[in-house]
Amino acid sequence: DQQVKQNSPSLSVQEGRISILNCDYTNSMFDYFLWYKKYPAEGPTFLISISSIKDKNEDGRFTVFLNKSAKHLSLHIVPSQPGDSAVYFCAASSMNRDDKIIFGKGTRLHILP
Amino acid sequence: EPEVTQTPSHQVTQMGQEVILRCVPISNHLYFYWYRQILGQKVEFLVSFYNNEISEKSEIFDDQFSVERPDGSNFTLKIRSTKLEDSAMYFCASSPQRVYEQYFGPGTRLTVT
Repeated sequence: DQQVKQNSPSLSVQEGRISILNCDYTNSMFDYFLWYKKYPAEGPTFLISISSIKDKNEDGRFTVFLNKSAKHLSLHIVPSQPGDSAVYFCAASSMNRDDKIIFGKGTRLHILP
Repeated sequence: EPEVTQTPSHQVTQMGQEVILRCVPISNHLYFYWYRQILGQKVEFLVSFYNNEISEKSEIFDDQFSVERPDGSNFTLKIRSTKLEDSAMYFCASSPQRVYEQYFGPGTRLTVT
């Protein structure tokens, strides 16, 4: 039951270019979306979030776009830096219904020198 | 910067034994969570805890699992009789409000032999 789908297991991007990570969801009750970054042997680290009342949220090099009609969100990182190499998890929740965050399987981002 | 801590970092136990995984959430947070990640799979919600009681639990969180906040700082996950399939990374998380950015600890790797 994949309510949050990250269809690209990995992505390689040249340093300095834009990294675009994609995520699709199936549950129309989701109203809050988050991106987490994870390094090996560490826990997920919160990056950026967006509420369903918005279609864009920006924080420094990170921008999240939400397309509710397509049930799709994306994370843009620009410019990409070597330290951005990590696994990125898309996550979603239904804030009015329950407490849990549903995670996707993650996309491993490699930033190439 | 305050962070969630977890001990031990790695726990090896025999099938059928009880284990207790410990977490110290961020001190002014009110909501506490446990997640797990089986190797190669996605991060899965186990349980949320607020106001000294479970607020939500997943199907994974059966009678073998329990959580406790024995004092003002620790938050524990107990597995009463471990099974091989309990082998996973267990992440504790906390947040100041429901669902909003949850801050994760580094995880405890549980190996059941």
